[in-house]
Amino acid sequence: GENVEQHPSTLSVQEGDSAVIKCTYSDSASNYFPWYKQELGKRPQLIIDIRSNVGEKKDQRIAVTLNKTAKHFSLHITETQPEDSAVYFCAARDGGTSYGKLTFGQGTILTVHP
Amino acid sequence: NAGVTQTPKFQVLKTGQSMTLQCAQDMNHNSMYWYRQDPGMGLRLIYYSASEGTTDKGEVPNGYNVSRLNKREFSLRLESAAPSQTSVYFCASSRDETTVTGELFFGEGSRLTVL
Repeated sequence: GENVEQHPSTLSVQEGDSAVIKCTYSDSASNYFPWYKQELGKRPQLIIDIRSNVGEKKDQRIAVTLNKTAKHFSLHITETQPEDSAVYFCAARDGGTSYGKLTFGQGTILTVHP
Repeated sequence: NAGVTQTPKFQVLKTGQSMTLQCAQDMNHNSMYWYRQDPGMGLRLIYYSASEGTTDKGEVPNGYNVSRLNKREFSLRLESAAPSQTSVYFCASSRDETTVTGELFFGEGSRLTVL
């Protein structure tokens, strides 16, 4: 089955800095890569996703890049703000299963200091 | 429009006791899922239901059973709880497992402690 590794496990930045979280996946057939944000005590929510036929996707201050050859994808947050503090999860879906049957990474706790 | 609703939000059990987590969605979604969240391990899929009338095992199904009661409701049952099942459980739904937009909508979570 799919295996997703996420790094770092914790990340601390100053407000205004950029933050980068990286994930690698094992199944070359994987074709969908979402990122979820979970604020403390809340439910995970989708913030951005990318499909395997796209190399980069941006949405305001967040962007995701995908390198299919190397089997890794990254989340980039620019101009970080305290409200970006949360746990971020990457995930991958292999080509033969449902979109909801995702394999998640271990999570990254992002702390943005004012 | 409440989205995905789970009950109970908190539960403490003794080893060997049984309980059922309830989940309902009002978004007319076809697919529903149960995940568990443990520190440092992300979200792991327990069981899922691609559509009403079907259920399938996920990554960590041992010790659990599920029932897709109807299109709206998907329950998770622990027949004989063990301390290893102490976790936060999330129910989720998606419009259709085969659609391009694969967003999962999560419930608020149920924190279960097994003593």
